Amino acid sequence: DQQVKQNSPSLSVQEGRISILNCDYTNSMFDYFLWYKKYPAEGPTFLISISSIKDKNEDGRFTVFLNKSAKHLSLHIVPSQPGDSAVYFCAASESGSSNTGKLIFGQGTTLQVKP
Amino acid sequence: NAGVTQTPKFQVLKTGQSMTLQCAQDMNHNSMYWYRQDPGMGLRLIYYSASEGTTDKGEVPNGYNVSRLNKREFSLRLESAAPSQTSVYFCASSDLGRPGGAFFGQGTRLTVV
Repeated sequence: DQQVKQNSPSLSVQEGRISILNCDYTNSMFDYFLWYKKYPAEGPTFLISISSIKDKNEDGRFTVFLNKSAKHLSLHIVPSQPGDSAVYFCAASESGSSNTGKLIFGQGTTLQVKP
Repeated sequence: NAGVTQTPKFQVLKTGQSMTLQCAQDMNHNSMYWYRQDPGMGLRLIYYSASEGTTDKGEVPNGYNVSRLNKREFSLRLESAAPSQTSVYFCASSDLGRPGGAFFGQGTRLTVV
């Protein structure tokens, strides 16, 4: 059972426009969410995160929104740049006594930003 | 600053052969992880080690074993490789996952023929 889902395998946007990547989760114990970016032949790199006590976190061009009631989060990239073309993974973890730092990932969304 | 280093980067195995993937981190992290990435499946956790001396199964542990050799090193062993284990393997380390999540190595592309 996929606990973290990214239902859009790919997304194409024009340079300068907004990119919106979506992610849904099913496990209500998840309380920390992250987005990773991955270029071909490289390991994933951390992009931005959000705790469940917040509904928004912003870092430059990247903003993550969390809707706990809907178990949904999204990553907004504004403005999109060609260098943002990569695979984006959503990930989730849970804290408390079971905190091991392990992450559960979604399937990934390939973003293509056209010049 | 090397971060997380994996060896080898590429490997081709015949069905039934064994091999060990090596991983070392220099960030003094307590936790280490092995993931595999397959098309359409994202990254799936194979095994993890929350601290030195402990290891636990993840989502897809069958066919694999791990050893947390010391705080720096965490190896993944395939005892009898199968074509279904053809994948890209990533090692990662973290300070319990936050605030920056896990740091990943460059990956090992393994093909089992």
